[in-house]
Amino acid sequence: GAVVSQHPSRVICKSGTSVKIECRSLDFQATTMFWYRQFPKKSLMLMATSNEGSKATYEQGVEKDKFLINHASLTLSTLTVTSAHPEDSSFYICSASSVSHEQYFGPGTRLTVT
Amino acid sequence: AQTVTQSQPEMSVQEAETVTLSCTYDTSESDYYLFWYKQPPSRQMILVIRQEAYKQQNATENRFSVNFQKAAKSFSLKISDSQLGDAAMYFCAYRSARNSGYALNFGKGTSLLVTP
Repeated sequence: GAVVSQHPSRVICKSGTSVKIECRSLDFQATTMFWYRQFPKKSLMLMATSNEGSKATYEQGVEKDKFLINHASLTLSTLTVTSAHPEDSSFYICSASSVSHEQYFGPGTRLTVT
Repeated sequence: AQTVTQSQPEMSVQEAETVTLSCTYDTSESDYYLFWYKQPPSRQMILVIRQEAYKQQNATENRFSVNFQKAAKSFSLKISDSQLGDAAMYFCAYRSARNSGYALNFGKGTSLLVTP
């Protein structure tokens, strides 16, 4: 089956710094990638939809200048949390959509901002 | 906007028994996909089963089956012969079928506990 990787799996950063999370589709080309955020014991909330070569579409309430998304190739999308605050601490999950419309999830990244 | 409702925050089942997780959804679309995902403690999202709305036949995957009632907008998951490894969060999800650019819309999840 299709594999999606995320890096890093865990990251701790200090308030005010930026952190980048990578999402890669390893064995297929992903025209669309999605970024979700999940709080403990809660559901996945869509943050943004990322299409290769174009600007990401952000959900209402998600600050595009804070959560920078780049989808430079058909196998890589990155999420950069800029000027991180403790309230940005969360579990971030990406998924990638293939031409068959199936979505494949990465293993997630746990971000802790101190 | 489509909403997905899972009314059971927690469910418990004994090993080898059967349990049904409920899911309802609201949509004005006629063509869409429905999914059940499992999220174990590792937090990796695992696709359990998928149903195309245009198919009348209920999807099955080994011990997992769904009861898809399109008119009632209901999509329940039945787990037969429950195993300890089935313990996890289960999310029901909806996606439009128009193109692959539509994200999944998740319910709040049901935490399934499997007791020996």
